[in-house]
Amino acid sequence: EAQVTQNPRYLITVTGKKLTVTCSQNMNHEYMSWYRQDPGLGLRQIYYSMNVEVTDKGDVPEGYKVSRKEKRNFPLILESPSPNQTSLYFCASSFDTGREQYFGPGTRLTVT
Amino acid sequence: GQNIDQPTEMTATEGAIVQINCTYQTSGFNGLFWYQQHAGEAPTFLSYNVLDGLEEKGRFSSFLSRSKGYSYLLLKELQMKDSASYLCAVPSSNDYKLSFGAGTTVTVRA
Repeated sequence: EAQVTQNPRYLITVTGKKLTVTCSQNMNHEYMSWYRQDPGLGLRQIYYSMNVEVTDKGDVPEGYKVSRKEKRNFPLILESPSPNQTSLYFCASSFDTGREQYFGPGTRLTVT
Repeated sequence: GQNIDQPTEMTATEGAIVQINCTYQTSGFNGLFWYQQHAGEAPTFLSYNVLDGLEEKGRFSSFLSRSKGYSYLLLKELQMKDSASYLCAVPSSNDYKLSFGAGTTVTVRA
């Protein structure tokens, strides 16, 4: 089954404790992206990747890191989480920006 | 990101028609997407318009006017399951970013 998976689905953590949210797709997509979704603000792009070892900043990259060492995986890293990073996070993939994106199920992160 | 505007909320009756507007400002144009997102779920793709005009897909249609920076999503014969948020999204023309509007929450009443 074609899908995008994210783990964990839910995470409660404390300020400053490094965490990684994994994302994996099995569709051989070139383009992968991370978004955060907050009430009233919609989906905002954090980082995206056009291919292996090619990543770039979206609109809200501060406080986040990503890597793309393999085509299928695109982890999101929060080196020192803060409460303003409490949000719902979605990973997505597509063949390119002109094609439909497939979204993972979301990760609800709470930073206290 | 791009400047994308959509109404925040709309309410309609089962069986009726609702039109969700989206206006955008971009230096170039690489198409416009519509996604549907049910509460607590991930967005799912509805349509992609790159040329002017109306594209119909069953009960859902999407219209684009590039000269006006305007699109709409038309939902016909509304069903209760159409209650969801509808997101308009525009790819950047000079990099590979994708910007979303804040979404329009549609509530279908019996």
